[in-house]
Amino acid sequence: NAGVTQTPKFRILKIGQSMTLQCTQDMNHNYMYWYRQDPGMGLKLIYYSVGAGITDKGEVPNGYNVSRSTTEDFPLRLELAAPSQTSVYFCASRKEGTQYFGPGTRLLVL
Amino acid sequence: DQQVKQNSPSLSVQEGRISILNCDYTNSMFDYFLWYKKYPAEGPTFLISISSIKDKNEDGRFTVFLNKSAKHLSLHIVPSQPGDSAVYFCAASARVNSGGSNYKLTFGKGTLLTVNP
Repeated sequence: NAGVTQTPKFRILKIGQSMTLQCTQDMNHNYMYWYRQDPGMGLKLIYYSVGAGITDKGEVPNGYNVSRSTTEDFPLRLELAAPSQTSVYFCASRKEGTQYFGPGTRLLVL
Repeated sequence: DQQVKQNSPSLSVQEGRISILNCDYTNSMFDYFLWYKKYPAEGPTFLISISSIKDKNEDGRFTVFLNKSAKHLSLHIVPSQPGDSAVYFCAASARVNSGGSNYKLTFGKGTLLTVNP
């Protein structure tokens, strides 16, 4: 069981570029989440999904898109990257009331 | 509008002593509370949780206490060990939609615990 895996671990983007952050879980969890963590702050929810084909916005969805075509994968898409999107991004999946997190992707937008 | 507050950005304790991390919340709809531990360059790791129907939950060296009337919870680590040095996040969730739940978590900003040998 690998749990929740995320790729890449680190990426530098130029302003206006786009990229996809990958997230995969092998625990057959229906619920999955994307968070961002800025320095000195807690995690803020970007998007979440309650199952394949179903996604919904979280607290800070602007500038991001998601899709959920399978139970295992929940990619996060950044279109037109901006410096404000410099952050660490965490993906999580949920079993009962507890969320389990991946190792994170550190993104720097210059 | 911070619904989950961890008012101490940092805490330093001696090895072997008790560490007490505090968390306050404002949303009375929260019914499930969790503590996560985070090392640098890693994702948060689930530590312990408590449901609002309980006032205490214990797991080895870790105990979480919930005071619903004060909207306050705390994490006790006894005895503290140097390997416990990390950022600790308090998180809370509430049933969002009637007839269903998706357990969105609201996080505090975290407390950096340093356990000195």
